[in-house]
Amino acid sequence: AQTVTQSQPEMSVQEAETVTLSCTYDTSESDYYLFWYKQPPSRQMILVIRQEAYKQQNATENRFSVNFQKAAKSFSLKISDSQLGDAAMYFCAYVPYNFNKFYFGSGTKLNVKP
Amino acid sequence: GAGVSQSPRYKVTKRGQDVALRCDPISGHVSLYWYRQALGQGPEFLTYFNYEAQQDKSGLPNDRFSAERPEGSISTLTIQRTEQRDSAMYRCASSLEDRVLSNQPQHFGDGTRLSIL
Repeated sequence: AQTVTQSQPEMSVQEAETVTLSCTYDTSESDYYLFWYKQPPSRQMILVIRQEAYKQQNATENRFSVNFQKAAKSFSLKISDSQLGDAAMYFCAYVPYNFNKFYFGSGTKLNVKP
Repeated sequence: GAGVSQSPRYKVTKRGQDVALRCDPISGHVSLYWYRQALGQGPEFLTYFNYEAQQDKSGLPNDRFSAERPEGSISTLTIQRTEQRDSAMYRCASSLEDRVLSNQPQHFGDGTRLSIL
């Protein structure tokens, strides 16, 4: 069974600094997708970034980038130049190839200090 | 609005009652997902539809849970004979295309907070 683990329940970062959120997953598949979603206090889930497992290049979206280590089954999210609006719960998600079934981790609460 | 709409926002009911939760996806979205989210946890997949067809219901906890999307738009998640353990946030999400490979992300609704007394 696929499982997604986020080992950091809560993290804090100073505004303008960089923070890395960790995520590991368990799968026997070679093709799949990985996502990071953000859930601010408004409770809406917002897609931050996605990665296809067959791509070796790490995905980047503005201040957000990932470090995808396929052999280690690790998918960490780096947030550069942290802003107050980045404060939220962050969820890592795994999706098997050709299946629209999302497996989410338990989340990491990110606090941003001014 | 243009987002995914769920109703009711809050539902409190006595154990043993049936409840129906509604999801109105973004117009034109092909895929519709139902999740359950416990406090402090990530969303737990329940089921999903492409158009009116239920593609995967492996996440439904037991046969008291069912979902339908008869016309490929609005969906209803029904829980029969509710139990206290059913208390949770139930979230709906929709996506423009039916394949994760596409660049179309899931758009989540604000959820229905269900409390079983």
